[in-house]
Amino acid sequence: AQTVTQSQPEMSVQEAETVTLSCTYDTSESDYYLFWYKQPPSRQMILVIRQEAYKQQNATENRFSVNFQKAAKSFSLKISDSQLGDAAMYFCASVYGGSQGNLIFGKGTKLSVKP
Amino acid sequence: DTGVSQDPRHKITKRGQNVTFRCDPISEHNRLYWYRQTLGQGPEFLTYFQNEAQLEKSRLLSDRFSAERPKGSFSTLEIQRTEQGDSAMYLCASSLRPGGSNLDGYTFGSGTRLTVV
Repeated sequence: AQTVTQSQPEMSVQEAETVTLSCTYDTSESDYYLFWYKQPPSRQMILVIRQEAYKQQNATENRFSVNFQKAAKSFSLKISDSQLGDAAMYFCASVYGGSQGNLIFGKGTKLSVKP
Repeated sequence: DTGVSQDPRHKITKRGQNVTFRCDPISEHNRLYWYRQTLGQGPEFLTYFQNEAQLEKSRLLSDRFSAERPKGSFSTLEIQRTEQGDSAMYLCASSLRPGGSNLDGYTFGSGTRLTVV
């Protein structure tokens, strides 16, 4: 079974600084996708970034980038130039490519941004 | 399209009562998912619809829970004889536009916060 582990329950970063959130996963599949979702205090989950397992190049979306280490089954999220609006719960998730699309989520990391 | 809508946003009910939640997905999405999220945890999968067919149910979905998606549009999640342990955020998500793949990810609704007293 797929599992996703986020080992940092809480993280804090100074505004304008960079922070990295960790995620590891376990799967025996070769075709899978990985995601980071953001859940602000208003509670609606928003997709931040996605990565296809067969692509070696790390995904980047503006200030958000990932460090995808396939052999280590690691998928960390780097937030550069942190902003107050980045404060939220961040969830790492995975799904098999050929599955019904059920995302498996980690327990989340609560990110605080200090002004 | 205004995204995924869930109603109500909050529901307080007495133990033993029945409750029903509604989810309106993005109209072009084929797949609809229900998740449950308790405080400090990530969302846990409950059930999944491909159009009107309910194709998968989690072990978490006891016989007190039932979900429907008539005509493949909106979906309802009903909890009968609610228990205090049912208190949670119930999230709905839709996915898979025509021609899409699992890489599309989900679009989530804002959730329904259930409190059983």
